[in-house]
Amino acid sequence: GAVVSQHPSRVICKSGTSVKIECRSLDFQATTMFWYRQFPKKSLMLMATSNEGSKATYEQGVEKDKFLINHASLTLSTLTVTSAHPEDSSFYICSALQGANEKLFFGSGTQLSVL
Amino acid sequence: DQQVKQNSPSLSVQEGRISILNCDYTNSMFDYFLWYKKYPAEGPTFLISISSIKDKNEDGRFTVFLNKSAKHLSLHIVPSQPGDSAVYFCAAKLIGNEKLTFGTGTRLTIIP
Repeated sequence: GAVVSQHPSRVICKSGTSVKIECRSLDFQATTMFWYRQFPKKSLMLMATSNEGSKATYEQGVEKDKFLINHASLTLSTLTVTSAHPEDSSFYICSALQGANEKLFFGSGTQLSVL
Repeated sequence: DQQVKQNSPSLSVQEGRISILNCDYTNSMFDYFLWYKKYPAEGPTFLISISSIKDKNEDGRFTVFLNKSAKHLSLHIVPSQPGDSAVYFCAAKLIGNEKLTFGTGTRLTIIP
């Protein structure tokens, strides 16, 4: 099946720093990628929809200046958590839409811990 | 507002028996439903889906049932195997809209 690579898998950072998470579709082109966030024992919450070559569409309540999304190519989307704070600690997962059959493939997730 | 709910956070089933995972939704506009399986430190993987025009879809050991009037779907796994131990998420969407709304997940443990 299709593969989506997400990196890093785990990051620990100090409060106030910025963290970049990469999401790559390895064997298909993805014009649309999604970024989710999951708190412990909670559902996966969609943060934003990332479209190649255009601005991301953010869900209600998600700060676009806090969570910067860039989808510069058909195989790469990045999420940058700017000026991270402890409340940003969470599990972040990306997914990529394989256009031909509209299947969604997920990355392995990034556990962010902000000290 | 949790539009997709999985009221059982965990479930334990004996190996070889049937596992039944339940999911309820509140938005009657949803017309496509999916089940994903997630192992620790990995992203969810697609298992099976069903369109609202059907009430049952079967794929090997996995069967999904949809009761539109009750806004309820269930995933049946039979026979259950140790490798089925994972967290299962149900998700719902509108056809033509790529956005998924996920439930909170049910942790299934298969007891050997």
